Amino acid sequence: GNSVTQMEGPVTLSEEAFLTINCTYTATGYPSLFWYVQYPGEGLQLLLKATKADDKGSNKGFEATYRKETTSFHLEKGSVQVSDSAVYFCALRKKGRRALTFGSGTRLQVQP
Amino acid sequence: NAGVTQTPKFQVLKTGQSMTLQCAQDMNHNSMYWYRQDPGMGLRLIYYSASEGTTDKGEVPNGYNVSRLNKREFSLRLESAAPSQTSVYFCASSETGTQGWSTDTQYFGPGTRLTVL
Repeated sequence: GNSVTQMEGPVTLSEEAFLTINCTYTATGYPSLFWYVQYPGEGLQLLLKATKADDKGSNKGFEATYRKETTSFHLEKGSVQVSDSAVYFCALRKKGRRALTFGSGTRLQVQP
Repeated sequence: NAGVTQTPKFQVLKTGQSMTLQCAQDMNHNSMYWYRQDPGMGLRLIYYSASEGTTDKGEVPNGYNVSRLNKREFSLRLESAAPSQTSVYFCASSETGTQGWSTDTQYFGPGTRLTVL
């Protein structure tokens, strides 16, 4: 079946540090890949997505590249801010499937 | 636009009690979903509705029923609540593409935190 594995959290960084959150997936075919972010007390928001191999999704300084050969979609940001503190979810959706398959989430804490 | 709204925000039930979680979206989306979020497990799909009048089971449907009241509203009902249903419940919606499949972006509501004692 489909699955998404994320690195355990929490990840604690100082402001302006470089961020990487690892995500790997298991799925047949070529699923679409997503990163969602959940700020405290809120629902999930789409952060970025990629729909085919070698695509790079980007938004708000975050980036992730769809790597078919390593089945990975790692999230990166060059300089994090305190306002980036949130829980980040990696997810996939197989073509023709309605539902998303989520990873367990990674909590990011950015200290001033 | 309010997007996806959910009521209530918080609820405490006793084992065996029933309740309905309400969800509404104002984006004219065809597809709607109910997920539950448990610590360390991410979100899991309970039920979804591809269009008004249709519903389908997701990954964890046992103990739940749903109603797609109209295009805007999709409710989730717990007939006899159990402690295992303590969770945060999220409703989401998405567009349906021209070929009948949902497009990729799902929009989520703020969630309902349910505790069953």
